[in-house]
Amino acid sequence: DAKTTQPPSMDCAEGRAANLPCNHSTISGNEYVYWYRQIHSQGPQYIIHGLKNNETNEMASLIITEDRKSSTLILPHATLRDTAVYYCIVREDFQGAQKLVFGQGTRLTINP
Amino acid sequence: NAGVTQTPKFQVLKTGQSMTLQCAQDMNHEYMSWYRQDPGMGLRLIHYSVGAGITDQGEVPNGYNVSRSTTEDFPLRLLSAAPSQTSVYFCASGRPSSYNSPLHFGNGTRLTVT
Repeated sequence: DAKTTQPPSMDCAEGRAANLPCNHSTISGNEYVYWYRQIHSQGPQYIIHGLKNNETNEMASLIITEDRKSSTLILPHATLRDTAVYYCIVREDFQGAQKLVFGQGTRLTINP
Repeated sequence: NAGVTQTPKFQVLKTGQSMTLQCAQDMNHEYMSWYRQDPGMGLRLIHYSVGAGITDQGEVPNGYNVSRSTTEDFPLRLLSAAPSQTSVYFCASGRPSSYNSPLHFGNGTRLTVT
């Protein structure tokens, strides 16, 4: 079962920041939080990941709370092409396997 | 770099037929894996490989075989297709788990078994 919970859907106006929350209260100390998105039926696209520090790359920022029980993905200037299902994942590594347990994700709709 | 390439994009099989889903990556990744995606079920791990010559089962391996003779390729074989195997199949590759780096996915093979 997924270790994360996310709201099923969110809307955001084009040009505004989209803030996607995720709860992962059972995360272990050495487990990373990963964010992926899936546009239509394409393969999941990696966005960003982090352990305990806030992270930023060319796509997004990731804010992780100090207790690591929740995080927020921030798309700073959302465009229509950011409409997708966003998955927050705690990667479970076991005997070499890198298991990404995808939950239901958040369907983000960017409105013009 | 092409990244992770999956072929074919679409496939229709009759029950009992066999086929191989191809996956190739050009990023010199040691780790490769296969997932299936079904409506309302998320992605589930079928098989994975931590390097050439090494494969292991994921959470839903029944009905599927894999092999890893080269670093680049990780084919998934359906020996006798069943309607329950109708799904979208994704291949993913990445560095070993100790690097804590992301997996990169292909664009999937959409398989229908009638």
